[in-house]
Amino acid sequence: GDSVTQMEGPVTLSEEAFLTINCTYTATGYPSLFWYVQYPGEGLQLLLKATKADDKGSNKGFEATYRKETTSFHLEKGSVNVSDSAVYFCALSGRFSGNTPLVFGKGTRLSVIA
Amino acid sequence: ETGVTQSPTHLIKTRGQQVTLRCSSQSGHNTVSWYQQALGQGPQFIFQYYREEENGRGNFPPRFSGLQFPNYSSELNVNALELDDSALYLCASKQTGTVTDTQYFGPGTRLTVL
Repeated sequence: GDSVTQMEGPVTLSEEAFLTINCTYTATGYPSLFWYVQYPGEGLQLLLKATKADDKGSNKGFEATYRKETTSFHLEKGSVNVSDSAVYFCALSGRFSGNTPLVFGKGTRLSVIA
Repeated sequence: ETGVTQSPTHLIKTRGQQVTLRCSSQSGHNTVSWYQQALGQGPQFIFQYYREEENGRGNFPPRFSGLQFPNYSSELNVNALELDDSALYLCASKQTGTVTDTQYFGPGTRLTVL
């Protein structure tokens, strides 16, 4: 079945450091790929998405590129802020399939210190 | 545009009891999914409803059941609660048939089973 593997955390960075959170996936066909963020005590917020190979999703300074050849969707940010401290989830779903649920990775906790 | 809302925010039950959680979909969305997020884990798909019928189910026992109403709001019912049912329950809605099939999540209901 479909699956998502994320780098294990926690990840601790100083403010303004470069962030990479690795994500690889296993899926049949051509899934859509997502990054969701969960702030303490809250639900999930969609951070960015990509629906086909070589697409780059971006939002709030975060970027991720859909790499079909390496089945990866790594999250990057050039300079993190304390407010980026949260848990980040990589996820996939089948394209054009109404009943395909999201499959999540286990999440990566990011802590940014001033 | 109104986002996904869930009620209650928190709930404490004892083992063997029954619980009902509620979700109002984002305006214009016709599909609702429920996920269970155990502490420190990624969300796991429970089931999905489209046009008031279940059209996808994850690896959860029949004591997890649901409903979707004509206004696309939804309920998750769990019977014979077990200690392991303690988790954050997330509702997500989307508009099936669109290209991106993006799901938007509510803030969740935190259920504690004692």
